[in-house]
Amino acid sequence: GAVVSQHPSRVICKSGTSVKIECRSLDFQATTMFWYRQFPKKSLMLMATSNEGSKATYEQGVEKDKFLINHASLTLSTLTVTSAHPEDSSFYICSAVNPDRGSHSYEQYFGPGTRLTVT
Amino acid sequence: LAKTTQPISMDSYEGQEVNITCSHNNIATNDYITWYQQFPSQGPRFIIQGYKTKVTNEVASLFIPADRKSSTLSLPRVSLSDTAVYYCLVGVGSSNTGKLIFGQGTTLQVKP
Repeated sequence: GAVVSQHPSRVICKSGTSVKIECRSLDFQATTMFWYRQFPKKSLMLMATSNEGSKATYEQGVEKDKFLINHASLTLSTLTVTSAHPEDSSFYICSAVNPDRGSHSYEQYFGPGTRLTVT
Repeated sequence: LAKTTQPISMDSYEGQEVNITCSHNNIATNDYITWYQQFPSQGPRFIIQGYKTKVTNEVASLFIPADRKSSTLSLPRVSLSDTAVYYCLVGVGSSNTGKLIFGQGTTLQVKP
């Protein structure tokens, strides 16, 4: 099946620093990617929709200046957590949609996730 | 997007068939039903999708009654490796850009 990678898989940073997480679709071009965060034993929470060549669309309550999303190419989206604080510690997951899947497919391909710990 | 309700947790034993039911009373005409599986510290994985009646693939079956207000994911002969969280989602709109909203999911624990 289609593969989506994330880098890094784990990152520890100090409070106040910024961290960039990359999401890549390895074998298809994704015009749309999504970013989620997940707290321990909780469900995934959609943060934003990343559209290639345009601004991301953020879900209500997600600070766009805090979580910068860039989708500069059809295979890469990045999420930058700016001025990170301990409460930003979470599991961040991206997903990508293969536009060749067909008009009624809701299959998204998820990355393996990035564990962010802010100390 | 239609709200989904599913049991928080289920227990089973190896070799048994597991059925997880999801309620989606407000499902719209254009909505499809999708199930995902998530192992700890991994991203979710697509299992199956359906619109009505029954869908079967190599992993699971999905049963959807005529009123489509619920659906049942059936996992045949589970093994320990099927221990995971299973999410039922109902999506609408353009599937290529449609976002997925995850509910609480069902944590399935398979015991030896």
